[in-house]
Amino acid sequence: DAGVTQSPTHLIKTRGQQVTLRCSPKSGHDTVSWYQQALGQGPQFIFQYYEEEERQRGNFPDRFSGHQYPNYSSELNVNALLLGDSALYLCASSPPGPITDTQYFGPGTRLTVL
Amino acid sequence: AQSVTQLDSHVSVSEGTPVLLRCNYSSSYSPSLFWYVQHPNKGLQLLLKYTSAATLVKGINGFEAEFKKSETSFHLTKPSAHMSDAAEYFCVVSVRYGGATNKLIFGTGTLLAVQP
Repeated sequence: DAGVTQSPTHLIKTRGQQVTLRCSPKSGHDTVSWYQQALGQGPQFIFQYYEEEERQRGNFPDRFSGHQYPNYSSELNVNALLLGDSALYLCASSPPGPITDTQYFGPGTRLTVL
Repeated sequence: AQSVTQLDSHVSVSEGTPVLLRCNYSSSYSPSLFWYVQHPNKGLQLLLKYTSAATLVKGINGFEAEFKKSETSFHLTKPSAHMSDAAEYFCVVSVRYGGATNKLIFGTGTLLAVQP
């Protein structure tokens, strides 16, 4: 059973560019959440997608946007990259059900902005 | 507001000795609490989860945690450390927004070093 997968593994961009990160949830999971983990810190919640809609958002600017597809896979897009966007971006998925607190994480995408 | 505080940023133990990683939580309702582990350059792996069914929770790799409401604590323990336990450990609380929507709030992490 494949877990959460993310691509690419590493990415290097320059300031002002745009980036798209991809995530495939664990089989049977329908909810995807994205987190940003800066070096030496704990992950910070960016947003969560369910039924192709963003249903909760953390304290991140509109430069951060996302999408969820009918097969539950998801993308995170970041526009106008800043040096401070350099971080490990983690995708997590959750199974369906009324009470599903548990989130299962992928290996992450390491984004470096130069 | 829900939050977690990890009391130690670094813990160093010798192989074969007990591990104690401390976490206090703040929550206005009965919380869902987790411990995740992150090995270098890896994603996060779920160690264990508390959801009020039992105060002593057993996880993977010999780890367990005890929920103590009177102390608002959720400390992680292991009787005997192994070299492979060296990693960063995060105490996490789930914040619900209604329905099935939730987000995870992470502590600042505890880096566990295991000396041979």
